Amino acid sequence: SQQGEEDPQALSIQEGENATMNCSYKTSINNLQWYRQNSGRGLVHLILIRSNEREKHSGRLRVTLDTSKKSSSLLITASRAADTASYFCATDVGVTQGGSEKLVFGKGMKLTVNP
Amino acid sequence: DVKVTQSSRYLVKRTGEKVFLECVQDMDHENMFWYRQDPGLGLRLIYFSYDVKMKEKGDIPEGYSVSREKKERFSLILESASTNQTSMYLCASSQPQDSRTQYFGPGTRLTVL
Repeated sequence: SQQGEEDPQALSIQEGENATMNCSYKTSINNLQWYRQNSGRGLVHLILIRSNEREKHSGRLRVTLDTSKKSSSLLITASRAADTASYFCATDVGVTQGGSEKLVFGKGMKLTVNP
Repeated sequence: DVKVTQSSRYLVKRTGEKVFLECVQDMDHENMFWYRQDPGLGLRLIYFSYDVKMKEKGDIPEGYSVSREKKERFSLILESASTNQTSMYLCASSQPQDSRTQYFGPGTRLTVL
């Protein structure tokens, strides 16, 4: 079952504009992560926010988390053509026997930044 | 930097063939994962392993098996490939102490004819 759902599914903006992506989830989480995937490649971890955090920054990235609404947003400021990629939110769904936190990924959203 | 490599970027097989997808990580990670990615469905977990010779089924294990004989290597096996297993396969690894972050390989695009 899908835990995280990104919204919108696709976004096209001009270079220099800000891009905001939203993620909604269904169950309680320990943390939420955002990943980026360039076309035809593997995913790259961008940022993690824990359930007791409300906002986090990393360079041009700003992530917020609202556990009462079960939602998160990823803001990319001053976007660049190189930010063109698919973005996924991922939520942990508990600890397995081996201590690994399984992640459940959303379906992803496609960001296109036009030069 | 963590490096996760996958044996092939592109693979074409015929229905009924036995297919091996190999994944190797160089950071001594305990946990390794196999996902498949399909348009409109996102990433779905097939199997994961939290130690050598240890494995757990993910959400869609049917038609797949895995092998982890060495810590650095995690293999996904399609015993008898079918056309509905045409997909992008992604391997990832993580460390329990920092298991919140997964590191991905570049992916293998498998086509079953």
